Parts: sequence; structure tokens; C-alpha cells
Amino acid sequence: AQTIHQWPVAEIKAVGSPLSLGCTIKGKSSPNLYWYWQATGGTLQQLFYSITVGQVESVVQLNLSASRPKDDQFILSTEKLLLSHSGFYLCAWSQGTFSNERLFFGHGTKLSVL
Amino acid sequence: GQQVQQSPASLVLQEGENAELQCNFSTSLNSMQWFYQRPGGSLVSLFYNPSGTKHSGRLTSTTVIKERRSSLHISSSQTTDSGTYLCALGSVTGNTGKLIFGLGTTLQVQP
Repeated sequence: AQTIHQWPVAEIKAVGSPLSLGCTIKGKSSPNLYWYWQATGGTLQQLFYSITVGQVESVVQLNLSASRPKDDQFILSTEKLLLSHSGFYLCAWSQGTFSNERLFFGHGTKLSVL
Repeated sequence: GQQVQQSPASLVLQEGENAELQCNFSTSLNSMQWFYQRPGGSLVSLFYNPSGTKHSGRLTSTTVIKERRSSLHISSSQTTDSGTYLCALGSVTGNTGKLIFGLGTTLQVQP
């Protein structure tokens, strides 16, 4: 069975500090990987997606970056956090390469930027 | 405007009552998913239902593509059903894996 693990569960960070969030998928070879973000009271929106190792596409510009160093790992990061980065970050995976695929989400990371 | 609209925004029920949650979309559909969002934010996948009707326990999802709507029916509600229900649309256009989420319906089931 496939499992998706996100870390950390929660972070409290200062404005201007760096950030690194991680996501690992086990039990699935070459998954499509995604980062989603939800501001408090807002809708979930896609930030990045990756079809293969080393290849990441940005969907929304939020002064964040993503990398896929391994087949089963997806990293979200920034050098300098903004207040607007606060919210809930979800990693997801899917199989297939079409827009009708089903997404499976991790448990998320709650980020508070102060 | 919002491509995915959910209604009602919030709903209060007495335990045992049924609930009907609606999701209407303004763009062509390629997939439809329903999620339950826990108070902490994590998502529980309820249905992947691009068309037709699916059942899971007390839950039923119906998607009618021609009418651009999907519904989630909860029968005999329980207090543990309380939370936020999200529908998400996978459009025929756009990049791989992009789901367009609604704002959700917040359900409160009182004992």
C-alpha cells in the first residue's frame, strides 16, 4: 500500500527566515507529485507539480521553490519567509499523466509565520 | 468568478438528520473528488466520482456532467460527521493534477 509522509507537522517561523518542508511517498514507483497550499479561510490551490525526478513546474508564484531530488521525495522551500506564506501545506501524489487522475494527500504541515 | 461553488456554506443538523451538499462548476469537468477536511486541515478522500452515483456507507455522491454539478448526500448524520466538506474539480484544460477546490461546506451535527 502507498503511504505519504509529510514533515514537519507544524512550524512556527519568523519573517525572513528560511523554510524547508518535505514529503515522501512509499510504495509507488514514479508518482506524480504536487504541493498544495491553503491560506487561513481560503481555498486549496496548487503550487507545484512534478512528473519525474529533477523536473518541477510552478503553477503559482508565491516566492517559494520546489525540488524533487529523488523519485519518492518532494521538497518545498524558500530562503526568506513572508507573512503571506502562513497557511496549510499539503503534498499529494497521483498515478497516470492525465487530468482525470485521482489525487491522494498527505496529512499536511501547518505553517505560522510571525 | 469562482469556478467551483459549494452550497450551503454552512449547515447545522441534529443527529440523525440527512444532509445534501452541492457542488456546481462553471468549467468542463474531467474528474470530481469529494474530501472531508479534518479540523487540523488534513484531507480524507471520500469519493472519486467523475460521473454517475457512488455509495460508501452513509455517503452517496452523484455527479451529473451535463448539469455541471455534483452532490454529496449524508444520511443519518452523526456528530462525528462534523467538519468541512470540499469538492474538487479536475478540469479538461490545465496542467496535470490540478484540482480546483471549492470553499467548502462546514457541517455541524449536534447531539
